[in-house]
Amino acid sequence: AQSVTQPDIHITVSEGASLELRCNYSYGATPYLFWYVQSPGQGLQLLLKYFSGDTLVQGIKGFEAEFKRSQSSFNLRKPSVHWSDAAEYFCAVPGNAGNMLTFGGGTRLMVKP
Amino acid sequence: EPEVTQTPSHQVTQMGQEVILRCVPISNHLYFYWYRQILGQKVEFLVSFYNNEISEKSEIFDDQFSVERPDGSNFTLKIRSTKLEDSAMYFCASSEAQGATGELFFGEGSRLTVL
Repeated sequence: AQSVTQPDIHITVSEGASLELRCNYSYGATPYLFWYVQSPGQGLQLLLKYFSGDTLVQGIKGFEAEFKRSQSSFNLRKPSVHWSDAAEYFCAVPGNAGNMLTFGGGTRLMVKP
Repeated sequence: EPEVTQTPSHQVTQMGQEVILRCVPISNHLYFYWYRQILGQKVEFLVSFYNNEISEKSEIFDDQFSVERPDGSNFTLKIRSTKLEDSAMYFCASSEAQGATGELFFGEGSRLTVL
């Protein structure tokens, strides 16, 4: 079954520092991969997605992610974190049937002033 | 910007009571979903709905759960007899397209607390 693992439950970074959130996937074929963000009191918002082509994907809010097949990874990055980026971040892949998503456990990001 | 709206934002109920969570998907979307997130755990798929019928459901979605699109705008999740373990945040989502390429738009969630 397709699955994603987010090894880091919590990450704290200083404002202005760079950020990398890890996501490892298990998928039988070329995966579709997603990153969602959940800000406090908000729903899940799509940051970016990878379907095919360029392995470096640009998303909203200055985020990017790189698909690395050799490492089965799709890590999310941002060069300079803002306090408003404090949220929970979820990596996701399509489920066993195409009409659903399977989410990772999430990484909660805290931003220090 | 169009959005998915959910009501109520928070509901507290007694064990054994029926609960209905309501969602208004984005108007031109055809595919509808419910997910849930138990506190501290993953976001889990419950059910997807298309063309007035369930297209997929997970093991969580047992006989206590049902979904309905009673009119042209609302999409509801009913829990017939709530259990303590139903306490969770329930997210509604909708998409325009089917399958993995269809971006899911999520509502802000309905927090259900079962006492």
